[in-house]
Amino acid sequence: EADIYQTPRYLVIGTGKKITLECSQTMGHDKMYWYQQDPGMELHLIHYSYGVNSTEKGDLSSESTVSRIRTEHFPLTLESARPSHTSQYLCASSYAGGNSPLHFGNGTRLTVT
Amino acid sequence: GENVEQHPSTLSVQEGDSAVIKCTYSDSASNYFPWYKQELGKGPQLIIDIRSNVGEKKDQRIAVTLNKTAKHFSLHITETQPEDSAVYFCAASIQSGGYQKVTFGIGTKLQVIP
Repeated sequence: EADIYQTPRYLVIGTGKKITLECSQTMGHDKMYWYQQDPGMELHLIHYSYGVNSTEKGDLSSESTVSRIRTEHFPLTLESARPSHTSQYLCASSYAGGNSPLHFGNGTRLTVT
Repeated sequence: GENVEQHPSTLSVQEGDSAVIKCTYSDSASNYFPWYKQELGKGPQLIIDIRSNVGEKKDQRIAVTLNKTAKHFSLHITETQPEDSAVYFCAASIQSGGYQKVTFGIGTKLQVIP
């Protein structure tokens, strides 16, 4: 049973639209992450946060932005969607202390037409 | 930075046979090695993990081995079943202070043929 929730599961939207992908977790985790997963399966870190008001860019450059106003909520926003943004977006969270496993949501599959 | 290589990228086995997925890492500072299973339409889920002070760990049909000297770690699934069909990711993690850096392999698509 998922303790980290992503909405919507699927989104088809036209070029130029602003979108926000929602991610919430109920585990009280301080760390949260956004990964982009391409059709070749590989996972690319695009954003992460170590707590409220903390956000950092990941390894893969992304035009998206994130915010972390509440511990449980880590939304991702695209101001102007383009076809190149078509992908699967996965949100994850983990405990703050030490090396700990990531808990992933079920993802949002975004298609920009 | 850390580099994790995973192979094979695809693997087909007959039901009941064993499956082995291998990963290598480059940074000797990596000290935590989780494995994730991703089923169709879902996010990756942790199935087993191992820390650098342990050489082997087993959980029912799943085992992981770690060779720190060679910087190799492997996932072993015995008596495979159709429900084991999924994409499997290895990862290497470095913890330094409050910072955790996780590097994933490219994934292995496992198909178990009934």
